[in-house]
Amino acid sequence: ETGVTQTPRHLVMGMTNKKSLKCEQHLGHNAMYWYKQSAKKPLELMFVYNFKEQTENNSVPSRFSPECPNSSHLFLHLHTLQPEDSALYLCASSLTQSGTGDTELFFGSGTQLSVL
Amino acid sequence: QQQVKQSPQSLIVQKGGISIINCAYENTAFDYFPWYQQFPGKGPALLIAIRPDVSEKKEGRFTISFNKSAKQFSLHIMDSQPGDSATYFCAAKDDYKLSFGAGTTVTVRA
Repeated sequence: ETGVTQTPRHLVMGMTNKKSLKCEQHLGHNAMYWYKQSAKKPLELMFVYNFKEQTENNSVPSRFSPECPNSSHLFLHLHTLQPEDSALYLCASSLTQSGTGDTELFFGSGTQLSVL
Repeated sequence: QQQVKQSPQSLIVQKGGISIINCAYENTAFDYFPWYQQFPGKGPALLIAIRPDVSEKKEGRFTISFNKSAKQFSLHIMDSQPGDSATYFCAAKDDYKLSFGAGTTVTVRA
């Protein structure tokens, strides 16, 4: 596999469930990101990991918990979500963290999350 | 606070026509301005980018025009094709991160 792979593609969960989103990149990049995409809104940066260290937490509620065990894998653990958390969650990677140089982000296809 | 304002929200163009998407910003620390293209069911992908020391950059049918004094930049899609139907996001980078516009959905009618 090449590029950035996200699983699952679709997820429906109740407000009391616990689930995890997985992201894997095969590009040899050092930075990984979680973005939230809602209709008619800018892409919303949630978390940034650079060399496995979390470098940004964009005031995200604690019901979202990221994990980055190595430079190639990123998880987003979800628990007690709200219906307004329904959105497309995108994982991205870059060679260096955005903000340094002309950094191109490579996105996965996203997980479409519906919270009932 | 939205750092990059993008318009229009959507547009429809006939095949062969020109699509124009506009973005404006306030932060003069922005030093890199990429455009990302997103097809349904896919993540965004870098389309073309410009730095503020250049007023125009062209790649194939896609052109970025940049007006530093007005703090505005735009994407022009020439000879629009049905395969160009997608959502386009402008973005701007400072030392810390990339800020995205809200996106423009372009529909090219055959």
